Amino acid sequence: ELKVEQNPLFLSMQEGKNYTIYCNYSTTSDRLYWYRQDPGKSLESLFVLLSNGAVKQEGRLMASLDTKARLSTLHITAAVHDLSATYFCAVDLLEETSGSRLTFGEGTQLTVNP
Amino acid sequence: SAVISQKPSRDICQRGTSLTIQCQVDSQVTMMFWYRQQPGQSLTLIATANQGSEATYESGFVIDKFPISRPNLTFSTLTVSNMSPEDSSIYLCSVPGTGYGYTFGSGTRLTVV
Repeated sequence: ELKVEQNPLFLSMQEGKNYTIYCNYSTTSDRLYWYRQDPGKSLESLFVLLSNGAVKQEGRLMASLDTKARLSTLHITAAVHDLSATYFCAVDLLEETSGSRLTFGEGTQLTVNP
Repeated sequence: SAVISQKPSRDICQRGTSLTIQCQVDSQVTMMFWYRQQPGQSLTLIATANQGSEATYESGFVIDKFPISRPNLTFSTLTVSNMSPEDSSIYLCSVPGTGYGYTFGSGTRLTVV
């Protein structure tokens, strides 16, 4: 059974600081996604990572994927209050019998303080 | 990417009753997914709905409790049956995006009293 673990689960940081969220998973996969969820809202797609060594950047967020280590990171640069949200990683596993399915990490609740 | 219209956005229901949630997609998709997000938790896959076949349920979810319909390639419903307060959650549908990735509906926030 695929397990996806994120850490930290809660992150409180000051504006202007940098930090990294980690996502470890237990089974080989080369498709990993990052989502953002604001309170009471649905999921917003941030990054799609499709191969080993993939790196994507959007604004103050940068995501990377190391399929050999089964690790993805979401790096926050010079955090601003608007980044406060819950961030989820999700691993896409293609199974012969059941097809494609996503398994989510527990989520990282990020609070950026002035 | 596909655009999903999910209804209702929220509801408060009495225990023992049922609620049907609808998802309409603006393009044809083979697979639709239904998730539950309990308060403060991550998303858990309930079932995968393919048009023309029975839905495939994940461990811990059964058809009697969460019947799913998939009458065509753009529409699906999830019913939460015989509700109890433990069913209070956000329910989301999802479809594969163009290429890779997935798009999510806006979610249905269900409160059972």
